[in-house]
Amino acid sequence: QKEVEQNSGPLSVPEGAIASLNCTYSDRGSQSFFWYRQYSGKSPELIMSIYSNGDKEDGRFTAQLNKASQYVSLLIRDSQPSDSATYLCAVGPMDSSYKLIFGSGTRLLVRP
Amino acid sequence: DTAVSQTPKYLVTQMGNDKSIKCEQNLGHDTMYWYKQDSKKFLKIMFSYNNKELIINETVPNRFSPKSPDKAHLNLHINSLELGDSAVYFCAVTGTSGSDEQFFGPGTRLTVL
Repeated sequence: QKEVEQNSGPLSVPEGAIASLNCTYSDRGSQSFFWYRQYSGKSPELIMSIYSNGDKEDGRFTAQLNKASQYVSLLIRDSQPSDSATYLCAVGPMDSSYKLIFGSGTRLLVRP
Repeated sequence: DTAVSQTPKYLVTQMGNDKSIKCEQNLGHDTMYWYKQDSKKFLKIMFSYNNKELIINETVPNRFSPKSPDKAHLNLHINSLELGDSAVYFCAVTGTSGSDEQFFGPGTRLTVL
């Protein structure tokens, strides 16, 4: 059973701080990794994708991938109250280029 | 223009009824999906269609039947609705050809009474 694990939170950080969200996955052959943001009552919104080991930066967001340790993380710099949402980690397993396996999400609260 | 749209947005119905949810995309991409998100926010794939052909069929009761009349549409028909079917159902579309980034529709909240 392929799994993607996330701490459900809530992770509470003050405004302006760095929020660090983590995700581990069980399928060592996974090739693609994604972070989605989901506001309450809304659909998941893709914010980052990463395919290679290392860091990938996009604005205030940095995704980090370590395939050897089977974890992927998302850093949000200068956190804003508008970043408060549930962040879903998704992993593309090796045996399917179409299927994504989602974690249950980490709820982030940014305190003003 | 909305890239992925779903109808209806809300659906409240009685146990035992049959209902359909519709999804339409205007991205022109080949692969479409149905996901179910339960009350604990766990998002699980149900079906995937590529160019009108079923390519992923997860362990889903056969009361659920997807249909893709053309590349732009993927509908989900549910027979004999049960209380446990209450969830939010999301349609998704794979992005550019060769990419496995998925983009989600607004969701349909199904409540079975």
